[in-house]
Amino acid sequence: AQSVTQPDIHITVSEGASLELRCNYSYGATPYLFWYVQSPGQGLQLLLKYFSGDTLVQGIKGFEAEFKRSQSSFNLRKPSVHWSDAAEYFCAVGTGGGNKLTFGTGTQLKVEL
Amino acid sequence: DVKVTQSSRYLVKRTGEKVFLECVQDMDHENMFWYRQDPGLGLRLIYFSYDVKMKEKGDIPEGYSVSREKKERFSLILESASTNQTSMYLCASSSFGQGAKEQYFGPGTRLTVT
Repeated sequence: AQSVTQPDIHITVSEGASLELRCNYSYGATPYLFWYVQSPGQGLQLLLKYFSGDTLVQGIKGFEAEFKRSQSSFNLRKPSVHWSDAAEYFCAVGTGGGNKLTFGTGTQLKVEL
Repeated sequence: DVKVTQSSRYLVKRTGEKVFLECVQDMDHENMFWYRQDPGLGLRLIYFSYDVKMKEKGDIPEGYSVSREKKERFSLILESASTNQTSMYLCASSSFGQGAKEQYFGPGTRLTVT
């Protein structure tokens, strides 16, 4: 069965510092991979997705993620974090031909000014 | 802009009450989903619908049912609410087919059962 692991429950970074959020997946076939962000009191918003092609994917708000098949990972990165990036981040793998998503447990990002 | 709306942002119900959570999307999407979000557990799929009157159980369907009479509307029903159903409920929709289908989420309903 498919699964997604986000090993970091909480991460704190200083504003302007770089960020990397980890995501590992387990899925038998070629995965469809997603990163979503949830600001306090809001629904989820898609940051970026990967399904084929270039393994480095660019998303909104300056985020990028790299798919590494050998490590079953899809880590999210940002070179310089802004205070408004404080939120919860979810990694997900698409199953059922991409029609369903299995989510990780999320990483809560805190940004120190 | 895709819009997914949920009938209530906050809801307080008593144990044993029947509870209806409504979700409407305006993008003519075939797929609609109900998730439950709890701290430390992420999002867990309750039910999924890929067409009108069609439904499929997700990972945690016990204690819930759903209804989809119209393409744009997907309702989650708690037949007899219990305190362990206190949670955030998120609705989402997406188009149907092969590929990486982005799901669009509503703002969520925070349900408290007392």
